Amino acid sequence: DAKTTQPNSMESNEEEPVHLPCNHSTISGTDYIHWYRQLPSQGPEYVIHGLTSNVNNRMASLAIAEDRKSSTLILHRATLRDAAVYYCILRVSGAGSYQLTFGKGTKLSVIP
Amino acid sequence: GAGVSQSPSNKVTEKGKDVELRCDPISGHTALYWYRQSLGQGLEFLIYFQGNSAPDKSGLPSDRFSAERTGGSVSTLTIQRTQQEDSAVYLCASSLDRGVGAFFGQGTRLTVV
Repeated sequence: DAKTTQPNSMESNEEEPVHLPCNHSTISGTDYIHWYRQLPSQGPEYVIHGLTSNVNNRMASLAIAEDRKSSTLILHRATLRDAAVYYCILRVSGAGSYQLTFGKGTKLSVIP
Repeated sequence: GAGVSQSPSNKVTEKGKDVELRCDPISGHTALYWYRQSLGQGLEFLIYFQGNSAPDKSGLPSDRFSAERTGGSVSTLTIQRTQQEDSAVYLCASSLDRGVGAFFGQGTRLTVV
């Protein structure tokens, strides 16, 4: 299974940008990079996904390295509501299952 | 509703009893997933359905666990002869297709006493 590596925890000040890194050096050419987050006492929430090009949506931006071995989730302006565990996941493609394998993620704390 | 709906939201059962947990995915979503999350732990994959393909059951922890998905829509996760270690939040998710983002329900909190 393709694996990802994330820092266990990060802190950010409110209203400042946050860059959450993820390493995935064993990524295959057709694997998508997905990000989810889980707020306290809630189910995971889809944030963004991409393949090769950088992606933007209303929640965040995803910057993907040219060699695809790493990516960064960017929250442009952190709010207290963004405090959550952020998961970087490779959506393994090819024949077989497309299960999402969640690791331990990065716990983001936002300081008022 | 617009999102993934799970019922019941909470279930307390006695050890040894069977339980059924229900998941209504987003309409039109062909992929459906079940996960569980024990207190303070990460998400553990249980089973995955995709269209009419055979489900990926590789995450089911024992033969007491089973799931079905009828008509490509509603799914039921059944746990037979529940044990205390089955206590967890059971989460269901669905996605439009295999490669896109999945949307999770709020989960069913199962407590086995």
